[in-house]
Amino acid sequence: DAGITQSPRHKVTETGTPVTLRCHQTENHRYMYWYRQDPGHGLRLIHYSYGVKDTDKGEVSDGYSVSRSKTEDFLLTLESATSSQTSVYFCAISEPGHYTGELFFGEGSRLTVL
Amino acid sequence: GQQLNQSPQSMFIQEGEDVSMNCTSSSIFNTWLWYKQDPGEGPVLLIALYKAGELTSNGRLTAQFGITRKDSFLNISASIPSDVGIYFCAAAAGGTSYGKLTFGQGTILTVHP
Repeated sequence: DAGITQSPRHKVTETGTPVTLRCHQTENHRYMYWYRQDPGHGLRLIHYSYGVKDTDKGEVSDGYSVSRSKTEDFLLTLESATSSQTSVYFCAISEPGHYTGELFFGEGSRLTVL
Repeated sequence: GQQLNQSPQSMFIQEGEDVSMNCTSSSIFNTWLWYKQDPGEGPVLLIALYKAGELTSNGRLTAQFGITRKDSFLNISASIPSDVGIYFCAAAAGGTSYGKLTFGQGTILTVHP
C-alpha cells in the first residue's frame, strides 16, 4: 500500500467553523490531489499540487483552500464550513513519469457539517 | 464541467456470473481508467487504457478504450464474493493533465454466494 495518511479520519463540526484536513505521504511523490466523493457524483477534484508551493484549482474549488509547504504534506482548509461540504474527502498522489491517471488514494476523511 | 455517464448504477448478481459495465462521455479523452473501491477504503486502480481501441486484461477483468475516445467498458468474468464494491470509470485528457481525472458516478456491485 502507498504510504498515505489522512487525518482526521472522521470529523463532525458546525456550520461556520474552520476545518483543516491533512494528507501526509511517505512516497516522496511530487503530485498531490484532494478529491471529494458524494453519492451520484463519483469523485470530483477540489485542488491539486505539482510541487511545494505550487497549487491550482480543480473542478469544485469554491470554499476550499490548500497549502503545500513540504513535499510530504498537503493541507485542505475549509475557512467556514457549510452543510454542502459534508462529504468524504480523499487525498491522492502520483509521480511524474508515471502514466496519466494512475493515482494512489488515501483511506479518506469523512466530514459532517451540522 | 465534463461528465462521465456510468451504467448501470448498481448490479446484484450470483457468484460465477459475468459482469459488464460501461462509461460514456460527450467529450473526447485520451486516457480511460477503471478503479475499484472497497467499503471504508480509497479507490484502487484496476486497469488503465492509453490508446483508442485498446483492449486490456488483468486476471478476470477486461477493459476496452472505445475507438471514438468517448467510451469504455469493463467486464468481470466468473464473479466471486470479493468482487463486491464500487467500480468507477475515470478519464483524463492526457498530457499535462496527470491526475486531474473526471470520474463516473460509480457502479455498486453486489455478489450473492
